[in-house]
Amino acid sequence: QQQVKQSPQSLIVQKGGISIINCAYENTAFDYFPWYQQFPGKGPALLIAIRPDVSEKKEGRFTISFNKSAKQFSLHIMDSQPGDSATYFCAAHNDYKLSFGAGTTVTVRA
Amino acid sequence: KAGVTQTPRYLIKTRGQQVTLSCSPISGHRSVSWYQQTPGQGLQFLFEYFSETQRNKGNFPGRFSGRQFSNSRSEMNVSTLELGDSALYLCASSSTFPYEQYFGPGTRLTVT
Repeated sequence: QQQVKQSPQSLIVQKGGISIINCAYENTAFDYFPWYQQFPGKGPALLIAIRPDVSEKKEGRFTISFNKSAKQFSLHIMDSQPGDSATYFCAAHNDYKLSFGAGTTVTVRA
Repeated sequence: KAGVTQTPRYLIKTRGQQVTLSCSPISGHRSVSWYQQTPGQGLQFLFEYFSETQRNKGNFPGRFSGRQFSNSRSEMNVSTLELGDSALYLCASSSTFPYEQYFGPGTRLTVT
């Protein structure tokens, strides 16, 4: 079964708006939570990541919020641009492997 | 630094055949992982190697195997191909800190 649950499946946002993607997990052994961005025909690219002892991490327009007690984490994309249109995957690491969410397709309308 | 390279990029095989995919990690990276990506199942972990040793394996049948060489390059093999093996096979490499995995462009395998 999916160890990491991701929502929504897709979202549409206007240019300049905020995109929010949510993920939830059950396995408390997960020790690292990355987000990947994938464009059609390409491999996933590491976007930003967080450790469970940190509640928030920001890199440019991308922010991860992490709630350890709720076992949830989210990606916020601020000031969304058409170039951000892609599929985003959350993931969780333990025992040398990544478990991925199902992915969210983000479409940014100009 | 050059990224993760995978060869071939595209492959068409017939049911029952076998296939070998190759991955060259980022220079200096000693860990290589393999993932299968399909529209129905998403991204699923196949196996991970470090210094020629498999440290973890996903829930795939024994037809899926891999190995890593002393120069950290890795290969994966799928024997007796089935239609359901059609997928994008992704290789990722990481340094001694195993969490940051960097993916290659993938090999698109089509089984007819």
